[in-house]
Amino acid sequence: DADVTQTPRNRITKTGKRIMLECSQTKGHDRMYWYRQDPGLGLRLIYYSFDVKDINKGEISDGYSVSRQAQAKFSLSLESAIPNQTALYFCATSRTGYYGYTFGSGTRLTVV
Amino acid sequence: EDKVVQSPLSLVVHEGDTVTLNCSYEVTNFRSLLWYKQEKKAPTFLFMLTSSGIEKKSGRLSSILDKKELFSILNITATQTGDSAVYLCAPNSNSGYALNFGKGTSLLVTP
Repeated sequence: DADVTQTPRNRITKTGKRIMLECSQTKGHDRMYWYRQDPGLGLRLIYYSFDVKDINKGEISDGYSVSRQAQAKFSLSLESAIPNQTALYFCATSRTGYYGYTFGSGTRLTVV
Repeated sequence: EDKVVQSPLSLVVHEGDTVTLNCSYEVTNFRSLLWYKQEKKAPTFLFMLTSSGIEKKSGRLSSILDKKELFSILNITATQTGDSAVYLCAPNSNSGYALNFGKGTSLLVTP
């Protein structure tokens, strides 16, 4: 099993629908992150969490929300999806004091 | 505001060539700089650099950091088609904030 698992792997949804992307990890890391990747724009940070009670906005949090249900689980929600949220979404984890990330395999989201 | 600029944005070389990828940064309270390789999906970790002038090597890949001039380079010698990927750099600060990634260099190695 992968250390960081993202579900679903691919998703097509309609404009206005609510959608949740899930991330779970078996690394035992305390920190978790959500990034989106768009062609030519690199990886941009949406939200990050340093522990279960600590949630922080990243540079592009508008239109997104997150939930850290447990140390191992971090979900990203799009309350009302719009086409410009079409992107590749990555969850990543790290542990305090070490800044190497472990990435999930990504979720390709298409909003039509 | 933190900045990360990678160059070139894309590069096409022939197998066997040597390439140098650049990453310049402006980060408050710099702590380290990380390099990642991204093939089809998730980025994978290559190097973490914390000290100037100390080269890190892994096979044909090597990287070095210059904290005075605020840049890092990633060298790949004797390139192979399997080196084709997007290479991302990400400086990190002591503030504990999340990694701020550059836009990446897309490398294509042709046979």
